Amino acid sequence: AQTVTQSQPEMSVQEAETVTLSCTYDTSESDYYLFWYKQPPSRQMILVIRQEAYKQQNATENRFSVNFQKAAKSFSLKISDSQLGDAAMYFCAYTRTTSGTYKYIFGTGTRLKVLA
Amino acid sequence: EAQVTQNPRYLITVTGKKLTVTCSQNMNHEYMSWYRQDPGLGLRQIYYSMNVEVTDKGDVPEGYKVSRKEKRNFPLILESPSPNQTSLYFCASTLRDRHTGELFFGEGSRLTVL
Repeated sequence: AQTVTQSQPEMSVQEAETVTLSCTYDTSESDYYLFWYKQPPSRQMILVIRQEAYKQQNATENRFSVNFQKAAKSFSLKISDSQLGDAAMYFCAYTRTTSGTYKYIFGTGTRLKVLA
Repeated sequence: EAQVTQNPRYLITVTGKKLTVTCSQNMNHEYMSWYRQDPGLGLRQIYYSMNVEVTDKGDVPEGYKVSRKEKRNFPLILESPSPNQTSLYFCASTLRDRHTGELFFGEGSRLTVL
């Protein structure tokens, strides 16, 4: 069965600094998507970034980028120039892309604190 | 505006009193699903639906029912709620064809069972 592991329950970063959140996953599939979702105190789930497994190039979205290591099954999120608004819970998630069931697996989350 | 709408947003109920949490999306998505979020456990999938009249169990389906009679609606039913179902619930949807994988979430429903 597929699993997603976030080993850092909580992280802190100084404003304007860079922080990396870790995510590892386990799957026997070759085609899949990986995501990072942000959940601020409002509870809304917001997509930060997504990565397609067949693409070797790491996804980037402004200050957010990922380090996707397919062989190691690692998918870390790097936040550059951290801002106070980045403070939130971050969830890593996985889903397979092949036809059939679209089951989504989420990690347990990492709470990011941004210090002024 | 494209959105997923859940109701109620907050609910306090008592053990055994049947309740329904509604979920509706206006994006013509085939796929809809329900999750519960608990501290230290992340989001866990309860049920999902690939299309009208097609539903399947997720990882934690016990104590829940769903139905998908219309494409836009996917209600979550708790026939006899118990305190261990106190949680934050999310409904989400996505396109099935040209599948990008991105889930669109509702705003969440905080349920407390006394």
